[in-house]
Order: sequence, then structure tokens, then C-alpha cells
Amino acid sequence: DIQMTQSPASLSASLGETVTIECRASEDIYSNLAWYQQKPGNSPQLLIYDANSLADGVPSRFSGSGSGTQYSLKINSLQSEDVASYFCQQYNNYHTFGAGTKLELK
Amino acid sequence: QVQLKESGPGLVQPSQTLSLTCTVSGLSLTSNSVSWIRQPPGKGLEWMGVIWSNGGTDYNSAIKSRLSISRDTSKSQVFLKMNSLQTEDTAMYFCASPYWYFDFWGPGTMVTVSS
Repeated sequence: DIQMTQSPASLSASLGETVTIECRASEDIYSNLAWYQQKPGNSPQLLIYDANSLADGVPSRFSGSGSGTQYSLKINSLQSEDVASYFCQQYNNYHTFGAGTKLELK
Repeated sequence: QVQLKESGPGLVQPSQTLSLTCTVSGLSLTSNSVSWIRQPPGKGLEWMGVIWSNGGTDYNSAIKSRLSISRDTSKSQVFLKMNSLQTEDTAMYFCASPYWYFDFWGPGTMVTVSS
């Protein structure tokens, strides 16, 4: 089974700041990686797929990059509505999610 | 538009069987797969299994022996059955589609395993 190691587990940042969340896969997942945002009490929402493709309706301040086993999600110019938990997901071999990153405002 | 909605009992006793239903609209089950995903309170997401557009299934190896996913295409419903429930199965249960990455999610249904 593919393991996904996500870091950091929590993150505190200021409005307007740029934040980066990382995921490392236990083997090459060939960019078969998605990122989700989840706000309390809600289901996850797709942000990024295929490692760097922006899902419909997602603001352009969100971007994804990476290849092989290393991937990252970047949020430029942090907004208050970005306070949420973020999860990575590999779909190269079934599905595995990262443990999540809780993003808070400083 | 595409909508998925989970329904279930809310409370299940330990060692009993969980039965959940995912009702789908705006999406054909004969053309799209549906997965079940769960999330224990305050924790991460676990993919449980999928029913493919052709009716075939695949399951997470960690829970495969306890899990069964089926469907009724005439009612646009997907079913989950999991037996031998324990307290660690307490979670929010989601259905989601399609397969590789999940564009569409239901709001989830909370299942508590307790006597």
C-alpha cells in the first residue's frame, strides 16, 4: 500500500502570506495526486488534480506542483476563507490520503 | 447538477452490521463509479471501496473482509454493508464520485458505534 506523509500537521499564517503544504509518497505516484480543502462540518472539496491542475471554480491563488514522490500545495496571498484543513490524496494505486494540515490565522 | 446524499442509522451497537445508502442524482451509475470514504472525528480520510460503472467492486485491503458495496441502478442508489463493527468504526461516512479524484461528495452521515 502507498503511504502519504503530509506536513506540517498544523500551520499558522497571517493574511496575505504565502503558505506551502507538502506531501511525500512512499513510492512514485506519477503525478496522480489531488488536494482537497475541508472546512469544519463540511465534506472535502477538490482543489487540485493531476498534481498541478486547478479544479473548476478554485481561485488561482491555489497551485500545486511536484512529481515522483514529492508534491506541494501553495496558497498565495492567504485569505480568511482559506482557514480549513487540507488533505492530499494519491490515486496511482487505489487511494490513500495524507493525515491533513490544519491551517489557522495568526 | 450532481448530488450525492448518504443516509444511515446514526447509532450502531458493537459487533453489529452497518448499512448505509448513497442516493445519487445528476449522475448515471452505469457510467460512473461511486466510492465510500470515512473520517473518524478529528482525523483523516480513509478510502473504503468502490463500485465501478460495470458493477464490479474493489475494497481497501484493511477492511475487505468486513465490507460489501452494491447498488440498485433503477433507484440510483449505492449501498455499503460492513459487519463486526467496533468503536473505532465511529466516523463520518461519505460517498463520492467519480474514481480517480473526487469532484463530487455527499454531505456525509455520522455513524457512532456504541452500546
